[in-house]
Amino acid sequence: GAGVSQSPSNKVTEKGKDVELRCDPISGHTALYWYRQSLGQGLEFLIYFQGNSAPDKSGLPSDRFSAERTGGSVSTLTIQRTQQEDSAVYLCASNLLGVGNTDTQYFGPGTRLTVL
Amino acid sequence: AQSVTQLGSHVSVSEGALVLLRCNYSSSVPPYLFWYVQYPNQGLQLLLKYTTGATLVKGINGFEAEFKKSETSFHLTKPSAHMSDAAEYFCAGRTKASKIIFGSGTRLSIRP
Repeated sequence: GAGVSQSPSNKVTEKGKDVELRCDPISGHTALYWYRQSLGQGLEFLIYFQGNSAPDKSGLPSDRFSAERTGGSVSTLTIQRTQQEDSAVYLCASNLLGVGNTDTQYFGPGTRLTVL
Repeated sequence: AQSVTQLGSHVSVSEGALVLLRCNYSSSVPPYLFWYVQYPNQGLQLLLKYTTGATLVKGINGFEAEFKKSETSFHLTKPSAHMSDAAEYFCAGRTKASKIIFGSGTRLSIRP
């Protein structure tokens, strides 16, 4: 597709279960970001991938959160032993970094995670 | 620390009135600045951006923002608010490490 896609669009899980959220960035985009948006809150940065560089994990809230990006394209955000406070909309964005471009973020529609 | 700060989590204006949403950035953030908008039940989309050149940037739907280096500000304005402008607005900046960071957002409400 032409845009950033995320799956699933909605995920309901029980406390303590693990979940995986998927992001397909725009083809050719070298940078990929995960953000979390809680009800009434702003965008919380989680993790940033740029090309083959080591990811910037400085925003991950705990060691229950991890993410990987395979082949420089698809990314998976994994949350282990989910807690109710993990309930939020998880947004993925990608952009094309490089000389002459201006870093416009293209956002996916998000995955709404509800932990019961 | 590198940061983008939005003053006011909620702004309410009357239809037809001036809209002013404030954003300040830390001086360590290079002047690549953005405003994004999130309409109810929709995804985020770019409203406007500043990279180089003219400091007054015009975006979609009549919005504009002015980059003021001396004030480290990038406030968003619109001369006359419309009901359809009701949304969440996010200011963002690019750090030296090329990471995009966002402010906490400002919810704009329009009174009839």
